[in-house]
Amino acid sequence: AQSVTQLGSHVSVSEGALVLLRCNYSSSVPPYLFWYVQYPNQGLQLLLKYTSAATLVKGINGFEAEFKKSETSFHLTKPSAHMSDAAEYFCAVRILLGDDMRFGAGTRLTVKP
Amino acid sequence: DTGVSQDPRHKITKRGQNVTFRCDPISEHNRLYWYRQTLGQGPEFLTYFQNEAQLEKSRLLSDRFSAERPKGSFSTLEIQRTEQGDSAMYLCASTQGLAETDTQYFGPGTRLTVL
Repeated sequence: AQSVTQLGSHVSVSEGALVLLRCNYSSSVPPYLFWYVQYPNQGLQLLLKYTSAATLVKGINGFEAEFKKSETSFHLTKPSAHMSDAAEYFCAVRILLGDDMRFGAGTRLTVKP
Repeated sequence: DTGVSQDPRHKITKRGQNVTFRCDPISEHNRLYWYRQTLGQGPEFLTYFQNEAQLEKSRLLSDRFSAERPKGSFSTLEIQRTEQGDSAMYLCASTQGLAETDTQYFGPGTRLTVL
């Protein structure tokens, strides 16, 4: 069965610094991969998704992620953190003909002024 | 497009009581998903509907849980004889299409506390 592991439950960066949130997947078949963001008291919002087209995926709010099959990774990055990026980030995986989406445990991003 | 809405946003109940949550998906979205999210964890899939048909249920969905989507519009999730372990955020999501890559739009969730 497919799964994702998010390395680091908490990440803290300074405003303007690089954001790197790590996600590794496990799947016996080619996966579809997603990053979601959750702000307090709100639902999850899709940041970006990998659907087997381009390996470098650009999303909203300046985020991007690169699918690396050799490393089974789909890390999320943003060149310069903004205070408004503080939130919980979830990586998720789904497979062709798969009914459910499997989420990681999440990474809480804190941005220091 | 008013987004996915869920009602109530918060529910506090005593152990052994029944509770029912409602989810209104985005209009004309074919699929509707239910997830459960506990503190410090990502959402866990419970079940989903394609129109009015319930197509898949997770093993997490015990016999005390039942979900419906009459007429393929809104959905309800009922938990009977609630237990303290049922305390969680219950999330609903919907998609317009049927592809695995379709974006799931999430509601704000219903936070259940069982005393």
